Amino acid sequence: SQKIEQNSEALNIQEGKTATLTCNYTNYSPAYLQWYRQDPGRGPVFLLLIRENEKEKRKERLKVTFDTTLKQSLFHITASQPADSATYLCALVSSYGNKLVFGAGTILRVKS
Amino acid sequence: KAGVTQTPRYLIKTRGQQVTLSCSPISGHRSVSWYQQTPGQGLQFLFEYFSETQRNKGNFPGRFSGRQFSNSRSEMNVSTLELGDSALYLCASSLRQANTEAFFGQGTRLTVV
Repeated sequence: SQKIEQNSEALNIQEGKTATLTCNYTNYSPAYLQWYRQDPGRGPVFLLLIRENEKEKRKERLKVTFDTTLKQSLFHITASQPADSATYLCALVSSYGNKLVFGAGTILRVKS
Repeated sequence: KAGVTQTPRYLIKTRGQQVTLSCSPISGHRSVSWYQQTPGQGLQFLFEYFSETQRNKGNFPGRFSGRQFSNSRSEMNVSTLELGDSALYLCASSLRQANTEAFFGQGTRLTVV
């Protein structure tokens, strides 16, 4: 069956450090992968989309890598700030229908 | 431009009742998807509508239904509510397809008592 796995434990890091979040998937052949941020009680907010032929994508302090051989995406936040504390979700298009499927998300806590 | 608007924001219903939630997508967006989010299950896909047609459906019972109007606004309905239906219901709009960048609303927090 298709699975998307993200670190189930919260990631606690110190302000200024780089946060790295992992998204692993099985039984998918995604053309692209997306990352979203979600704050408590609010809807997810789109951050980045990376295509299968792109190894890396950057947006300001954010960087995403996509390794289709390892079936893994890494999401980096450099120079992290307490305001980056949130849940980060990765999402893939399911092979069964044209729908976006989300991982369970990883909670990031940045301490000052 | 205005974002995705969901109404109401909060709702308390009794078991057995039915509920209708509303979603107004971003102007020009034709795809509307609905998700249920609970602490245990995360974001679960309910269904997607595009140009008034249901294009995809998740693994939810028939008590969950939806529709889309000609102006792309969408409603979802849950009949015979159960305690387990308590969740945050999120609507997302996309320009063309549900698998492209999705813009989410604030959600409707449904509590079934």
